[in-house]
Amino acid sequence: QVQLQESGPGLVKPSETLSLSCSVSVASISSYHWSWIRQSAGRGLEWIGHIYKSGSTNYNPSLKSRVTMSVDTSKGQFSLNLSSVTAADTAVYYCARAVPAGAGLERWWFDPWGQGTLVTVSS
Amino acid sequence: DIQMTQSPSSLLASTGDRVTITCRASQSIRTYLNWYQQKAGKAPKLLIYATSSLQRGVPSRFSGGGSGTDFTLTISSLQPEDFATYYCQQSYTTPQTFGQGTKLEIK
Repeated sequence: QVQLQESGPGLVKPSETLSLSCSVSVASISSYHWSWIRQSAGRGLEWIGHIYKSGSTNYNPSLKSRVTMSVDTSKGQFSLNLSSVTAADTAVYYCARAVPAGAGLERWWFDPWGQGTLVTVSS
Repeated sequence: DIQMTQSPSSLLASTGDRVTITCRASQSIRTYLNWYQQKAGKAPKLLIYATSSLQRGVPSRFSGGGSGTDFTLTISSLQPEDFATYYCQQSYTTPQTFGQGTKLEIK
């Protein structure tokens, strides 16, 4: 059973970069696709982006200029960097496995999710 | 982006009730619609994918239906553990988007 666990700072200063990692309990992280999703009172649930098992990425256009995702297969982790953060980026950040609706389809559901980590942007 | 609108936003119900939550997409998403349950302080949990397919381990009292722009999540007989917030999510186009949630509360 796949399990995910987010880690990273809970407080980030405005204009700095938010960096989170997600550790996954699978034999090979490269066997699956992965996503980051965040949840805030103001924006609800918001998909941030995917990192495919190939290592390529697909980001939400609204965040694309500030987002970078990567995978470290040796550590069994994937990561999220979000630059130039503001208070609007305060949210609970979740990592999740992205399951495609069919081979080659860019259509996904998310299962399972990590427990989430609250990141507050404040000076 | 495709907008997903759920109704109602909140719902009071009793154990044993049959309840239906609606999710409407701003354009056709065919059957690329998923449902999640979220309990307070926890991550969302996948209930139903591709409109009507029950995720493994999810009780059969949950069911989903619809196509195009209108979808439903039905709980046939509410159990105490079902009181939570429910979200729909479209996966037809990028960016995938979620509804604002329906909070199911005990009457």
